[in-house]
Amino acid sequence: EAEVAQSPRYKITEKSQAVAFWCDPISGHATLYWYRQILGQGPELLVQFQDESVVDDSQLPKDRFSAERLKGVDSTLKIQPAELGDSAMYLCASSLNQQTHYGYTFGSGTRLTVV
Amino acid sequence: GENVEQHPSTLSVQEGDSAVIKCTYSDSASNYFPWYKQELGKRPQLIIDIRSNVGEKKDQRIAVTLNKTAKHFSLHITETQPEDSAVYFCAASKSREYGNKLVFGAGTILRVKS
Repeated sequence: EAEVAQSPRYKITEKSQAVAFWCDPISGHATLYWYRQILGQGPELLVQFQDESVVDDSQLPKDRFSAERLKGVDSTLKIQPAELGDSAMYLCASSLNQQTHYGYTFGSGTRLTVV
Repeated sequence: GENVEQHPSTLSVQEGDSAVIKCTYSDSASNYFPWYKQELGKRPQLIIDIRSNVGEKKDQRIAVTLNKTAKHFSLHITETQPEDSAVYFCAASKSREYGNKLVFGAGTILRVKS
């Protein structure tokens, strides 16, 4: 079964430091999503890519968060500087394209702890 | 934007009993309603979904019902087993020209007591 790959699985960082997460979607999936899941809550979309273009980043805190998908395949989400409130699970997902929910699959996530 | 509310936040049932989780949504344009199961420290996994042109869908012990008029949908698990214990999330989404992000409920912790 095809999977969405994410790394690292766990990350501990001090506040004010920079941190980056990586995601490799299922091969052939044009749409890639980054969700943030705070403990005890449902995932919330941060940014959505269609190929290399951002189609929705309305909930991305752009003063400290950035995301890129330069070649339309894998993606990196960066936080700089990290704050205590950024502690959460960061989930990447991919789907065939943004017109369908076919194949919508989540990765195992990166659990970030900011100390 | 879309808002999804989910109830109850926790649910305890005896093994073999049924469990029902309910969600309401606010955006009448939403047309896709998946349910995810998430075990501790693991990824959300799709267990069943329903589209707005269908009122009910069943897959073995799991069923989902949708009431478009009232804008609510429910997950039904029959003959619960200890391995059903997990956090369950409902979500709502639009597709096609609206994009297809998922808006999640806050989750329900289901505990099946043996």
